[in-house]
Amino acid sequence: DAGVTQSPTHLIKTRGQQVTLRCSPKSGHDTVSWYQQALGQGPQFIFQYYEEEERQRGNFPDRFSGHQFPNYSSELNVNALLLGDSALYLCASSFNRDEQFFGPGTRLTVL
Amino acid sequence: AQSVTQPDIHITVSEGASLELRCNYSYGATPYLFWYVQSPGQGLQLLLKYFSGDTLVQGIKGFEAEFKRSQSSFNLRKPSVHWSDAAEYFCAVGAPGGYQKVTFGIGTKLQVIP
Repeated sequence: DAGVTQSPTHLIKTRGQQVTLRCSPKSGHDTVSWYQQALGQGPQFIFQYYEEEERQRGNFPDRFSGHQFPNYSSELNVNALLLGDSALYLCASSFNRDEQFFGPGTRLTVL
Repeated sequence: AQSVTQPDIHITVSEGASLELRCNYSYGATPYLFWYVQSPGQGLQLLLKYFSGDTLVQGIKGFEAEFKRSQSSFNLRKPSVHWSDAAEYFCAVGAPGGYQKVTFGIGTKLQVIP
C-alpha cells in the first residue's frame, strides 16, 4: 500500500512565477491538508480539502489556492511567487478527521 | 489562538541516556496534543497523541509523553535513546476534532552521540 506521495520532489522557480504541487493521498483517505515548512520552522497549516471543497484555511494569502479531484488527489497552486515562499511543502492525508499521514514533501526554491 | 512553544532548539544526548523534550501549549479548551518526528528527507511521523483520559500516553519507538494541564505542558520522554532517534521532533496542538488545523512548534533537533 503506497503512502502519501508528492510530486515533484524538488522545484526551482523565479519570483513572479506560478507553481503547482501535487499530492496523492494514502489509499482509503478522502481528506488532504497542505502545510508549509520554512527552513528551521515547524509546518504551518495552509488549508484542508474534503469532498472537493476547502474545509479549513490557515493564515495564508489568496495567492495560495488548491483543488481536490474526485479521486481525492490534490493540487496546491501558488501565484506570483515571492522569495519567502521558498519552503518544504507537505501534504497530509486522512480519512475525514482521523489521523493524518504525511508525504515526504516538495522542496520549492524561489530565486 | 492556539500556540506551541518548544524552548529547546537543539539537544544533544549520549546514546543510552534518558531524554526529555519540553513542550508548552496555549489553548483555550481541552487541547488535542501530538508529538511528531521528522527524519532528514522524510515526512512527519506521528509518535503519540493525547485527546483525553490517562495523562500518560505511550507511543511508538518507546516514547511516552505526559499531559500536565496545570503547567500547560506535554513533554516527551524516552528512558534510553538510540542513535536512530536522531531527528527533529515537533510538538503540535489541534483544534477540536483532533487532526484539524494543527499548529506545530518550531521543533527540537536531537543529536545522539556515541
